[in-house]
Amino acid sequence: AQSVTQLDSHVSVSEGTPVLLRCNYSSSYSPSLFWYVQHPNKGLQLLLKYTSAATLVKGINGFEAEFKKSETSFHLTKPSAHMSDAAEYFCVVSVFSGTYKYIFGTGTRLKVLA
Amino acid sequence: ETGVTQTPRHLVMGMTNKKSLKCEQHLGHNAMYWYKQSAKKPLELMFVYSLEERVENNSVPSRFSPECPNSSHLFLHLHTLQPEDSALYLCASSQERRTDTQYFGPGTRLTVL
Repeated sequence: AQSVTQLDSHVSVSEGTPVLLRCNYSSSYSPSLFWYVQHPNKGLQLLLKYTSAATLVKGINGFEAEFKKSETSFHLTKPSAHMSDAAEYFCVVSVFSGTYKYIFGTGTRLKVLA
Repeated sequence: ETGVTQTPRHLVMGMTNKKSLKCEQHLGHNAMYWYKQSAKKPLELMFVYSLEERVENNSVPSRFSPECPNSSHLFLHLHTLQPEDSALYLCASSQERRTDTQYFGPGTRLTVL
């Protein structure tokens, strides 16, 4: 069965310090993996996507994620947090079994302290 | 947002009202989706349309009735809702149903009194 686990429901960092949001997945197939960000009262915005090309994926706003098959992980990182990064982040695994199906994590709320 | 738009952004309705949510995508996509986002729960896929045909209905109560008149527009008609239906309703689209990247609208915040 396919699933995705976001290991932290809340993460707090100080502005200018690194961000690490953790995601583990389980998939019987070769997955596509995504990170989306949701700012308050907004929809989901695609940050980045992994589809079996380079294992290190660069996204928008300085975020990147590394696909590690041996660890079944797809953690999201950013070298230096900005106040505007405060939002909820969703890890998504997309599996193909006749059609693509999105499986969402429960989200990680990132708080950035001044 | 110009990719996927949703109206209204906020809606308050009583349990006996009938209202509709509208989604429009300007990306030339052929597949559209309705999701429900409730507090402290993962996003729930409600309906999937591909080329205006409903291809997936995830056990959604009949008080939610989707409509897809063309590949650019998707509606969610609401009637006799319950307070537990209060949530953020998100619309998304993708190039094809078999294409994996979905693009989301800003959502409609629905409150049922």
